Amino acid sequence: LAKTTQPISMDSYEGQEVNITCSHNNIATNDYITWYQQFPSQGPRFIIQGYKTKVTNEVASLFIPADRKSSTLSLPRVSLSDTAVYYCLGGYPWSQGGKLIFGQGTELSVKP
Amino acid sequence: EAQVTQNPRYLITVTGKKLTVTCSQNMNHEYMSWYRQDPGLGLRQIYYSMNVEVTDKGDVPEGYKVSRKEKRNFPLILESPSPNQTSLYFCASSDRGSDEQYFGPGTRLTVT
Repeated sequence: LAKTTQPISMDSYEGQEVNITCSHNNIATNDYITWYQQFPSQGPRFIIQGYKTKVTNEVASLFIPADRKSSTLSLPRVSLSDTAVYYCLGGYPWSQGGKLIFGQGTELSVKP
Repeated sequence: EAQVTQNPRYLITVTGKKLTVTCSQNMNHEYMSWYRQDPGLGLRQIYYSMNVEVTDKGDVPEGYKVSRKEKRNFPLILESPSPNQTSLYFCASSDRGSDEQYFGPGTRLTVT
């Protein structure tokens, strides 16, 4: 199982780009990296996944280097509404036989 | 509307009084899972189920039971709750082969 390490917390200001890096040294060859976002008093929600290089959607971009030992979630021009906890996850239910390890997550605080 | 529902949303109980937290999904997902979330510890998996009648332990299964008699339901049972099970609980589901988990709104449990 891929265990992940992320910074516990990060601070930013509105309009800035925020990059959150996750380390996953033992990720399996066939595993994707997935990221979730959790707002206060809500369940986590899936925001992006990738295998290597760069993936972009309407919420974020995900950069994964060739060695795949880390990944970086990039949030362009954050707003107050991006204040949340962000979790990275190595693999997903069907690649891991069901067992998953989320880790502590990164608490992002966006200030005006 | 596609969703995962949990009941109750809030529960205060006393040590030793058996309780069940229900989880139901309307997306015909095969995979379901329970997590608990505690300050500083992130999300930790309790039990998961890959399909009907198939369940397995996650990282922190002690003190919990689950059953999966129907595809849509995955109840979490605490036979004899203790104060260290005071936590925020999330249920999640995922479609076969999908990298995305859908989370419920959470159940905040307090055991006194």
